[in-house]
Amino acid sequence: GEDVEQSLFLSVREGDSSVINCTYTDSSSTYLYWYKQEPGAGLQLLTYIFSNMDMKQDQRLTVLLNKKDKHLSLRIADTQTGDSAIYFCAEKTDSWGKFQFGAGTQVVVTP
Amino acid sequence: DTAVSQTPKYLVTQMGNDKSIKCEQNLGHDTMYWYKQDSKKFLKIMFSYNNKELIINETVPNRFSPKSPDKAHLNLHINSLELGDSAVYFCASSRMDSPYEQYFGPGTRLTVT
Repeated sequence: GEDVEQSLFLSVREGDSSVINCTYTDSSSTYLYWYKQEPGAGLQLLTYIFSNMDMKQDQRLTVLLNKKDKHLSLRIADTQTGDSAIYFCAEKTDSWGKFQFGAGTQVVVTP
Repeated sequence: DTAVSQTPKYLVTQMGNDKSIKCEQNLGHDTMYWYKQDSKKFLKIMFSYNNKELIINETVPNRFSPKSPDKAHLNLHINSLELGDSAVYFCASSRMDSPYEQYFGPGTRLTVT
């Protein structure tokens, strides 16, 4: 989506940390999300963060939110080959539940 | 125990035909969505229904007509199919309260020849 931007590709070695970045434009966004899409499958919600938080950790996943810069990131610790997928950043834009998605970041994990 | 299901998974049809895609969710959610994902993986919302009422209708040709017979079902009917309609169509559902987590179906790959 034109309001949510992500880099298109990330290559990372197995065992390293991955950081996927996202910028959004709607300052009224209440929730921001990270989804994972494996080949031939639907999107799977990984995690979300409320806009009044600046960090959320969930096992290997760490979400950082800089509301001033409208910047969201997802860090995956100890990246595994099973983490290879497309990762989408999304924001909830208004009270009627409209979601704006980024174009997705293809993450490739190499041995 | 499938949460959001869609049928069919693949649909190949010729230009000008009319086709339908069905979606069902067993999560008890009150909001359902249709998204279109193009060949570049760009995901765009098409429609959203809340308690069988249309609440979001993006700039979609009126050849596309969603129908929600009940809260658990949201079908998509497409008339006079065009080559540009080829894409993967995803159904999703969510509750209408925070954190509004969306659950996606497996997608329907539509190919128009």
